[in-house]
Amino acid sequence: EDQVTQSPEALRLQEGESSSLNCSYTVSGLRGLFWYRQDPGKGPEFLFTLYSAGEEKEKERLKATLTKKESFLHITAPKPEDSATYLCAVQAPQGGSEKLVFGKGTKLTVNP
Amino acid sequence: GAVVSQHPSWVICKSGTSVKIECRSLDFQATTMFWYRQFPKQSLMLMATSNEGSKATYEQGVEKDKFLINHASLTLSTLTVTSAHPEDSSFYICSATGGGGSETQYFGPGTRLLVL
Repeated sequence: EDQVTQSPEALRLQEGESSSLNCSYTVSGLRGLFWYRQDPGKGPEFLFTLYSAGEEKEKERLKATLTKKESFLHITAPKPEDSATYLCAVQAPQGGSEKLVFGKGTKLTVNP
Repeated sequence: GAVVSQHPSWVICKSGTSVKIECRSLDFQATTMFWYRQFPKQSLMLMATSNEGSKATYEQGVEKDKFLINHASLTLSTLTVTSAHPEDSSFYICSATGGGGSETQYFGPGTRLLVL
């Protein structure tokens, strides 16, 4: 069974204090690993897709990396507006389905 | 690009009534759409996958007769919660892809359902 575990469940940072969020996964034949940001009461907003170990992608203060067992979302010099829940999801081949398996998320709070 | 809308954004209904939620892809053709529900402080749980013009595939434990899904066109899918009860109160979110394999899912803003 495909599984996704995110840690920590919650993280509080001071503005400018860099840190990393972890997403560990077990899946047979990873097709893609996705990071989303979700604000309270809203749908997830797409951030990154990673396809193979060693791949890295960046967007503003965020950088996502991927190994064969886990992915990290690095946040450099965060700002209060980066506060949100960050979701990780994996996609694996299941009869041609494109469905995602989500982790429970990391709730990030950045204090000014 | 890749904008998905949902309507309504929130709905309150009486127990026993049916509620329809629309999911539209605004600037792309969605060959596949997904419906999720999310309870407070929990992650997204996939309910069903629908492909345009064919029957939806439901996840284990999701009642097909209660959650009716129609994907009649490449830009519209609907979820109807039939005979809603208070335990159906949740946050329902749809997503859409353009198909073709490892495609990114773009999510709608969600619909908050409260059944009294």
